[in-house]
Amino acid sequence: GQNIDQPTEMTATEGAIVQINCTYQTSGFNGLFWYQQHAGEAPTFLSYNVLDGLEEKGRFSSFLSRSKGYSYLLLKELQMKDSASYLCAVMDSNYQLIWGAGTKLIIKP
Amino acid sequence: GAVVSQHPSWVICKSGTSVKIECRSLDFQATTMFWYRQFPKQSLMLMATSNEGSKATYEQGVEKDKFLINHASLTLSTLTVTSAHPEDSSFYICSARLGSETGELFFGEGSRLTVL
Repeated sequence: GQNIDQPTEMTATEGAIVQINCTYQTSGFNGLFWYQQHAGEAPTFLSYNVLDGLEEKGRFSSFLSRSKGYSYLLLKELQMKDSASYLCAVMDSNYQLIWGAGTKLIIKP
Repeated sequence: GAVVSQHPSWVICKSGTSVKIECRSLDFQATTMFWYRQFPKQSLMLMATSNEGSKATYEQGVEKDKFLINHASLTLSTLTVTSAHPEDSSFYICSARLGSETGELFFGEGSRLTVL
């Protein structure tokens, strides 16, 4: 079967760095997405990785290793507004998105 | 970036009535739109894939006669929850794909349905 695993919840301190991991097993691979979702709101796009390596976009970076079925989202200089759920999603061979359950990130002052 | 608008944002209805939710891509054409349901503290659950000009593809366990999807144009898809019941109360979210099959997904704001 297909599955996406990511931690349920993480806690970090304002100004610090946090890494949210995602491992996946899917039928085929056409890219991995990270989305941010604040409570009660729709997800917003953060990043898309289809090749191995690190993609940096401001305070957020996303890493992919296809051979290991592994990705992480790195958030630097954490701000209180970064408190949200972070969803990992993989596009399979049928171009369908397989969603992880999301990681709730709690930022403390 | 591309904008997807969803309407209404909130809807409260009586049990047994039908509710229609609209999803519009405002500045791009979307041949494929997706409908999701999300219960509190849970991840997105794909309900169906809506393709312009053809029948929607429903995920296993989703009743097609209860959740009617119409994708009549390249910018509009509608989800109608027929004969709604309290257990249908949920957050319904649509998304539209920009460009190719690997194109970025843009999400609507979501519609919170409460069935009394």
